Amino acid sequence: GAGVSQSPSNKVTEKGKDVELRCDPISGHTALYWYRQSLGQGLEFLIYFQGNSAPDKSGLPSDRFSAERTGGSVSTLTIQRTQQEDSAVYLCASSQRRDSPLHFGNGTRLTVT
Amino acid sequence: AQSVTQLGSHVSVSEGALVLLRCNYSSSVPPYLFWYVQYPNQGLQLLLKYTTGATLVKGINGFEAEFKKSETSFHLTKPSAHMSDAAEYFCAVIQTGANNLFFGTGTRLTVIP
Repeated sequence: GAGVSQSPSNKVTEKGKDVELRCDPISGHTALYWYRQSLGQGLEFLIYFQGNSAPDKSGLPSDRFSAERTGGSVSTLTIQRTQQEDSAVYLCASSQRRDSPLHFGNGTRLTVT
Repeated sequence: AQSVTQLGSHVSVSEGALVLLRCNYSSSVPPYLFWYVQYPNQGLQLLLKYTTGATLVKGINGFEAEFKKSETSFHLTKPSAHMSDAAEYFCAVIQTGANNLFFGTGTRLTVIP
């Protein structure tokens, strides 16, 4: 079946512009995570959605970052007024339950020039 | 609070040699533990997981890991390295009752012919 789909796969933007990154999780998966992967930094947790519960936003690095998940399915991560340090690969993952293995998308590589 | 420490950002082994990738965690309660692998130019995929029960867990591609509560460790091993094992390996932990899956900073495994 279809896996986790992320778009775009690559995004180059100018400093100060806003960007939106999209994630289509596996159908029926109630848990959805966003992570950021920077060179040599591992995976940094950003935000977690579980069903209709309030999201866990504890990993968002600043108020320029926000995310929403509409209808318990598709999620959008928005970065406002991008900075060069925002350059990274943004990974989305979904799972059936909180403690189930995560299924990762291939990520969006964001480059801020 | 919890964290994951992976000792050694880079590990090199000869083909056919033992692979040992170290992971230690800190958690106030028994956690769920995972190893994920990221092959070059691919997304992350689950290698194995420990939730409850037998502390020696077998995963895909001949890898296994042992949960040692007394040492707060979950080291990943494989008796004989293969060239195709070259990848980046991430240890991850989720505390029971918590939302967030924390990842270590990763260990890049190189297999020398």
